[in-house]
Amino acid sequence: ETGVTQTPRHLVMGMTNKKSLKCEQHLGHNAMYWYKQSAKKPLELMFVYSLEERVENNSVPSRFSPECPNSSHLFLHLHTLQPEDSALYLCASSQELVGRNTEAFFGQGTRLTVV
Amino acid sequence: DAKTTQPPSMDCAEGRAANLPCNHSTISGNEYVYWYRQIHSQGPQYIIHGLKNNETNEMASLIITEDRKSSTLILPHATLRDTAVYYCVVRERNNAGNMLTFGGGTRLMVKP
Repeated sequence: ETGVTQTPRHLVMGMTNKKSLKCEQHLGHNAMYWYKQSAKKPLELMFVYSLEERVENNSVPSRFSPECPNSSHLFLHLHTLQPEDSALYLCASSQELVGRNTEAFFGQGTRLTVV
Repeated sequence: DAKTTQPPSMDCAEGRAANLPCNHSTISGNEYVYWYRQIHSQGPQYIIHGLKNNETNEMASLIITEDRKSSTLILPHATLRDTAVYYCVVRERNNAGNMLTFGGGTRLMVKP
């Protein structure tokens, strides 16, 4: 148990659906991250938030839309996804974005399947 | 792109020390080296990190060479539950700060 909770753990959605992934941490961390892990590929950093402000967007398609309403919650809104978007989506948080205390704590991930 | 190089896989006998190498020859002076591991179907787990001094915690030891161009993660007494993919990560600096970018990692198989 890392203190970072992701829901749902598994999600199957059609290409025309709209769904949201949720991430929650009560560790008092100021930075939160979304990663994508496709089969047999390294983790890909998607989005980074620091103090609820987006500071990084790694050329992610607009069908993925992040939201950080407060420092404890992070969402990833999904719409009109493609089958190749099927992957494990991981949320992480760290105490800060720069400096020494930047070790990230990951959630268990949401296994997304797009059909 | 990831700035680290690791062997894709390693085997280790249960009870023996597992020594996992990592090359990070382009590391800059203020970049930390982080180690994570990912057990199948779970999120990555933080293990240890360091700047230039060797570090030890309850999970592992981290040995960083004097020139900081490589490091070794040591699991002193590997167990079957240590079977996982181990990632050596150097934070990548960009305009927003330091980002954790993962490479392919080393798949460690601990065998009875």
